[in-house]
Amino acid sequence: GQNIDQPTEMTATEGAIVQINCTYQTSGFNGLFWYQQHAGEAPTFLSYNVLDGLEEKGRFSSFLSRSKGYSYLLLKELQMKDSASYLCAVRVGDTNAGKSTFGDGTTLTVKP
Amino acid sequence: NAGVTQTPKFRVLKTGQSMTLLCAQDMNHEYMYWYRQDPGMGLRLIHYSVGEGTTAKGEVPDGYNVSRLKKQNFLLGLESAAPSQTSVYFCASSYSEFAGEYEQYFGPGTRLTVT
Repeated sequence: GQNIDQPTEMTATEGAIVQINCTYQTSGFNGLFWYQQHAGEAPTFLSYNVLDGLEEKGRFSSFLSRSKGYSYLLLKELQMKDSASYLCAVRVGDTNAGKSTFGDGTTLTVKP
Repeated sequence: NAGVTQTPKFRVLKTGQSMTLLCAQDMNHEYMYWYRQDPGMGLRLIHYSVGEGTTAKGEVPDGYNVSRLKKQNFLLGLESAAPSQTSVYFCASSYSEFAGEYEQYFGPGTRLTVT
């Protein structure tokens, strides 16, 4: 089976840095996604890691360690609009398969 | 490009009624998915499709059926709605052979209430 763990809630201050962790236990790992979901809206893609290491994309960075079953999403220079739920999802199956298993999400609240 | 669209956006059903949710994508994606999202929970996969004419069960398939007669459309059916099926339903699509992308693109969601 698949098991993905993320903290339920986090709070941070505008302008600060926050790290959202995700640990997973899956079979047939083929990559890890992070999605952002604002309240009442659909998830939108943030990042994809398939190899170990850090991927940087503007204010957002994502890290993966396959041997540890661990990833984190790093958000820098937090803005109020970053208040949202952040979903970790693991892609499993054949190389070209698209099926992903999602964690329950981390609700981030950014305070002034 | 409309991306992924879903019809309807909202629906209220009575227990035992049936309905079909329609999902359409214009990105020529091979894979399509139906998820449900309940408060405080992540997305749970109901059914998915890896190509036209194919479907497969996800984590929570009971009480739902799907069809993918055309590549761009993925239909989710509820034959006899139950209050436990009250949820927000998201359709998503992914993977274009040419683009080599694996991330999923989501529709805006359908808010279904079963009374």
